[in-house]
Amino acid sequence: DGGITQSPKYLFRKEGQNVTLSCEQNLNHDAMYWYRQDPGQGLRLIYYSQIVNDFQKGDIAEGYSVSREKKESFPLTVTSAQKNPTAFYLCASSIYRIGELFFGEGSRLTVL
Amino acid sequence: EDKVVQSPLSLVVHEGDTVTLNCSYEVTNFRSLLWYKQEKKAPTFLFMLTSSGIEKKSGRLSSILDKKELFSILNITATQTGDSAVYLCAVLYSNYQLIWGAGTKLIIKP
Repeated sequence: DGGITQSPKYLFRKEGQNVTLSCEQNLNHDAMYWYRQDPGQGLRLIYYSQIVNDFQKGDIAEGYSVSREKKESFPLTVTSAQKNPTAFYLCASSIYRIGELFFGEGSRLTVL
Repeated sequence: EDKVVQSPLSLVVHEGDTVTLNCSYEVTNFRSLLWYKQEKKAPTFLFMLTSSGIEKKSGRLSSILDKKELFSILNITATQTGDSAVYLCAVLYSNYQLIWGAGTKLIIKP
């Protein structure tokens, strides 16, 4: 079945450590996105990628980094520079431009 | 500043009731409005609305957009416990960027 796989589902880290969240899709979609979801707030865009080897900052890119070396993969690194990294992270993809977004199951990061 | 506001923030109804969820927006370069359902983790797509006044329907769910008054509603008739979820509204303002509302948490009691 086609879809988006995020891992790990739950992650605990100490302050000051970088962590990488994985996102893999087998939908053959060109565009991929990373969102952050916090209680009581709308989803906020961290980074997006329109095509392999290209990505753009979203609204809250500070303290995060991404790469897009393969069409299927769009990993997100939460660096120690991110002031408040504890959150629920959602990866999504779309065929080309946004018409319908397909989401992964999310990764919940807790920084202790 | 662009914004999308959903109301109510939460709603509790009984099975069989009809509910109306609201989404108002002030977004420069509006292109379309999207509704998603988030049951546990992954939001799933419901509707995309681009033209004013045209109702989109899928089973017991329907939605309409009013571009003059800058809002959309999502109706769910004959609600079931499986409709319990957070309903998210988002406005597309560029090819790849959306502004999201905070969501309406809907609880259906048996």
